[in-house]
Amino acid sequence: DTGVSQNPRHKITKRGQNVTFRCDPISEHNRLYWYRQTLGQGPEFLTYFQNEAQLEKSRLLSDRFSAERPKGSFSTLEIQRTEQGDSAMYLCASSPRTQGADTGELFFGEGSRLTVL
Amino acid sequence: AQKVTQAQTEISVVEKEDVTLDCVYETRDTTYYLFWYKQPPSGELVFLIRRNSFDEQNEISGRYSWNFQKSTSSFNFTITASQVVDSAVYFCALSEISGGYQKVTFGTGTKLQVIP
Repeated sequence: DTGVSQNPRHKITKRGQNVTFRCDPISEHNRLYWYRQTLGQGPEFLTYFQNEAQLEKSRLLSDRFSAERPKGSFSTLEIQRTEQGDSAMYLCASSPRTQGADTGELFFGEGSRLTVL
Repeated sequence: AQKVTQAQTEISVVEKEDVTLDCVYETRDTTYYLFWYKQPPSGELVFLIRRNSFDEQNEISGRYSWNFQKSTSSFNFTITASQVVDSAVYFCALSEISGGYQKVTFGTGTKLQVIP
């Protein structure tokens, strides 16, 4: 396994269009996170999945954003009616199955950069 | 609320110099975890170290060392004999456990440029 995979790596779209990003986590990892990173800032938490269940959503995730993880494997993040403020790097991370709470490192993908014109 | 402050926005050093990246955090939790991640130009965040709040031992890994001081809420990172490959953005992060998963707060990052 080569790590967390995200695609597309870069998406340029016009305001008002819908975009979808895909994340393939490391295969044995059951926890999956989406983060957003804008220029000069650290990543900000968007949402969390344990297996197929979406257990937490940040207030940053407006109604135009929806994330899914069918079958607990890959995940998609869709942004509807994109706005220029949505321009950012969208990072996916996964972490391995543990018996207790998730306290370990996050394994990040290379991100999907969104540019909204 | 959790907060991580990395006051140094950008640092430039000449190769082989030592450099320390500062990190100060705020949390009300008694149990928490601290991390450092490296983000090279390719964009992928790479895990460097994790520390829990009960372990204040300093750690050394090759040219990297970390100084965790609970009394000053700091978790500083030192690179000894820096190399050009160390050039990257370094993020300090703090996590609390909420509902069984990590809620990670990242600092704004310190961009390190190592000049040959």
